[in-house]
Amino acid sequence: DSGVTQTPKHLITATGQRVTLRCSPRSGDLSVYWYQQSLDQGLQFLIQYYNGEERAKGNILERFSAQQFPDLHSELNLSSLELGDSALYFCASSVERGTIYFGEGSWLTVV
Amino acid sequence: GENVEQHPSTLSVQEGDSAVIKCTYSDSASNYFPWYKQELGKGPQLIIDIRSNVGEKKDQRIAVTLNKTAKHFSLHITETQPEDSAVYFCAAMEGNDMRFGAGTRLTVKP
Repeated sequence: DSGVTQTPKHLITATGQRVTLRCSPRSGDLSVYWYQQSLDQGLQFLIQYYNGEERAKGNILERFSAQQFPDLHSELNLSSLELGDSALYFCASSVERGTIYFGEGSWLTVV
Repeated sequence: GENVEQHPSTLSVQEGDSAVIKCTYSDSASNYFPWYKQELGKGPQLIIDIRSNVGEKKDQRIAVTLNKTAKHFSLHITETQPEDSAVYFCAAMEGNDMRFGAGTRLTVKP
């Protein structure tokens, strides 16, 4: 158990809908990262937050947004969902410049 | 920015044999190199890491070597077991920027 908690574990939704994925980082970690992993694909970096502020942005679509709250938990919002958004979404956390620890992921299926 | 290349993309070995996965990176300022193991349906788990002031690190059957001059690092798994079957990712970190390789699917045949 990495200490990073993600909910929900599985989610099925229809095209055009909006979903929110939630992440609680490890105790003491100020950085939160979001990654997308499609079937048999690598880890695509989406976005990073540090202590509530956006720190780095990767290949995140405009339909997607994220935020980190004062209690350090983070949410990834995915809107106007398309079939191609079906993937495993990982949250990870770290201390600054430290090892990144991953959660177990949220499986999103868009039908 | 950093670019990490990982080879091979798939690797099949017989139980008991060794497996080697290699990664190269482009940013000479990268100073931290973790390796992750991802089992089916699970999140990547850190299995070993190395910092740029060290050339080699070993943990039981797993070892990592780093060649800073050539900008490459490798994961070595000895005496492989079926439970080693998974996807392995290398990564390179410079500052707060962590970049992952594309992954290697390792299959250990009993």
